[in-house]
Amino acid sequence: AQSVTQPDIHITVSEGASLELRCNYSYGATPYLFWYVQSPGQGLQLLLKYFSGDTLVQGIKGFEAEFKRSQSSFNLRKPSVHWSDAAEYFCAVGANFGNEKLTFGTGTRLTIIP
Amino acid sequence: GAGVSQSPSNKVTEKGKDVELRCDPISGHTALYWYRQSLGQGLEFLIYFQGNSAPDKSGLPSDRFSAERTGGSVSTLTIQRTQQEDSAVYLCASSLVAVSYNEQFFGPGTRLTVL
Repeated sequence: AQSVTQPDIHITVSEGASLELRCNYSYGATPYLFWYVQSPGQGLQLLLKYFSGDTLVQGIKGFEAEFKRSQSSFNLRKPSVHWSDAAEYFCAVGANFGNEKLTFGTGTRLTIIP
Repeated sequence: GAGVSQSPSNKVTEKGKDVELRCDPISGHTALYWYRQSLGQGLEFLIYFQGNSAPDKSGLPSDRFSAERTGGSVSTLTIQRTQQEDSAVYLCASSLVAVSYNEQFFGPGTRLTVL
């Protein structure tokens, strides 16, 4: 069975600073990987996803993530955060055969300070 | 077009009562998923439907939890004899087809409080 770890429960960054949110997964083959964002009072929205091919994936709102098989990681990055990026971020992993559910991490809450 | 809708948005109930939570997926989406989000716990998978059938019920925490989907559209999650540990936000999502690489579109959730 697949699993996901988001080691950082809460991260605070200054507006305009760079951001990296960590995600580590466990799965025996190449997984499907996702980052979702949950803004206050709103549902989850997909930021980006990785299936295969290019290991650097571009998403919406200026986010990107890099799949590193050797480190079992799929970290989310943004070069310059905006106050509107304050939200909870969830990494998720899906199996590529025979198991159609997603397994989500526990989330990282991002706070932006002026 | 309309997104995933859930009702009620908030539900307060007394311990031991039954509750029904409703999810209306995006039109044309054949797959529907239920998750539970507890404070600090992330999203916990409960069950998913492809059409009206539920291939994976492995996440339902006890036999007090059940779900059905009729007509390939609306789904109802029922919790019988609610307990305080059932308090959480229940999220519904839908996707075109139930394969793990498809984007899931989430509803706003139902916040359940069991007193």
